[in-house]
Amino acid sequence: GAGVSQSPSNKVTEKGKDVELRCDPISGHTALYWYRQSLGQGLEFLIYFQGNSAPDKSGLPSDRFSAERTGGSVSTLTIQRTQQEDSAVYLCASSPQRRTTETQYFGPGTRLLVL
Amino acid sequence: AQTVTQSQPEMSVQEAETVTLSCTYDTSESDYYLFWYKQPPSRQMILVIRQEAYKQQNATENRFSVNFQKAAKSFSLKISDSQLGDAAMYFCAYRKYSGGGADGLTFGKGTHLIIQP
Repeated sequence: GAGVSQSPSNKVTEKGKDVELRCDPISGHTALYWYRQSLGQGLEFLIYFQGNSAPDKSGLPSDRFSAERTGGSVSTLTIQRTQQEDSAVYLCASSPQRRTTETQYFGPGTRLLVL
Repeated sequence: AQTVTQSQPEMSVQEAETVTLSCTYDTSESDYYLFWYKQPPSRQMILVIRQEAYKQQNATENRFSVNFQKAAKSFSLKISDSQLGDAAMYFCAYRKYSGGGADGLTFGKGTHLIIQP
């Protein structure tokens, strides 16, 4: 079956602009995770959703970052007023349930470059 | 907070040989899970192998096996009969057992594995 998909694959934007990154999880997966991968910080966990709710948003780097999930499926990560330090690969993962035992399946990521 | 350390930024091995990638972690938890993920140039993270901390037996998946030393907080990955397709970044990851599973994965910095033909 189809895996996790993310769009766009690559995004170049100018400093100060807003960007939206999209994640389509595997059908039926209720848990969804966002990670950021950058040269300086490595892989960082940002936020997770169980269904449409995100109980803990403390992993988001700043208040310029927000995420939502609708219909228990597609999720959007929005970065407002982008800064050069936001340049990174943003990875999305999903799993059947949020239990620790469940494997997370990753998408190919969105590479964001802020000029 | 949990930390995961991979001390080898890069490793090189001849095709068909065996290579071991190191990983250590720091946690105060007694129940947790450990993972090795592979990330080829396509960027897609692929699960290689996982280990439940409560299991004493080391996990194996075909040519991949781990050496899990809970007391030493060590979790190394052994790749036998290395193949060209094994070339990738390898990440060690930790996830604590929190019942509801709310936490994401904590990753190490990664090891770049090169396979010499």
